[in-house]
Amino acid sequence: GAVVSQHPSRVICKSGTSVKIECRSLDFQATTMFWYRQFPKQSLMLMATSNEGSKATYEQGVEKDKFLINHASLTLSTLTVTSAHPEDSSFYICSAPHRDRGVNTEAFFGQGTRLTVV
Amino acid sequence: AQSVTQPDIHITVSEGASLELRCNYSYGATPYLFWYVQSPGQGLQLLLKYFSGDTLVQGIKGFEAEFKRSQSSFNLRKPSVHWSDAAEYFCAVGAGNTGKLIFGQGTTLQVKP
Repeated sequence: GAVVSQHPSRVICKSGTSVKIECRSLDFQATTMFWYRQFPKQSLMLMATSNEGSKATYEQGVEKDKFLINHASLTLSTLTVTSAHPEDSSFYICSAPHRDRGVNTEAFFGQGTRLTVV
Repeated sequence: AQSVTQPDIHITVSEGASLELRCNYSYGATPYLFWYVQSPGQGLQLLLKYFSGDTLVQGIKGFEAEFKRSQSSFNLRKPSVHWSDAAEYFCAVGAGNTGKLIFGQGTTLQVKP
């Protein structure tokens, strides 16, 4: 099956610094990618839709200036958590839908990134 | 509004016993439905999906799910659970053909030896 690679898998940063997380579709092109956030013992909440060549679409309540998304190519989307604070500590997961003849057949997920802000 | 409900937060079964995880959805049109499994600290692996056609769907690792439109349900089943099945299970509905997923709250499966 298709592979989505997410890097880094774990990161610890100091409060006030910025962290970049990469999401790559390794063997297919993804004009759209999705970023989710998962709190401990909770479900995945969609944060934003990353669109290749255009601005990301953010879900209600998600600060676009805090979570910067760049979809620079058909295989790479990045999420930058700016001026991170301890409350931003979470598990972040990206996904990329695989399209077959115009139909999104399945979403493939990255391995996730555990962000800890100290 | 689209939503997914997994009524059981935590389920414990004995190894070798059968399993059913419940999922109910709310969606205006014919839904795209998915079951994913997540091991601790890991991403999500697709178990199975339903788009159309046969309402009984076979997946990986011996799992199956049945789409029941009249009950707005897509319950996941396995006839005999293995210890390695212990994980978090998420039901999800696709928002149209966007690739965007709406997840249920998840069900934690614990398997007793």
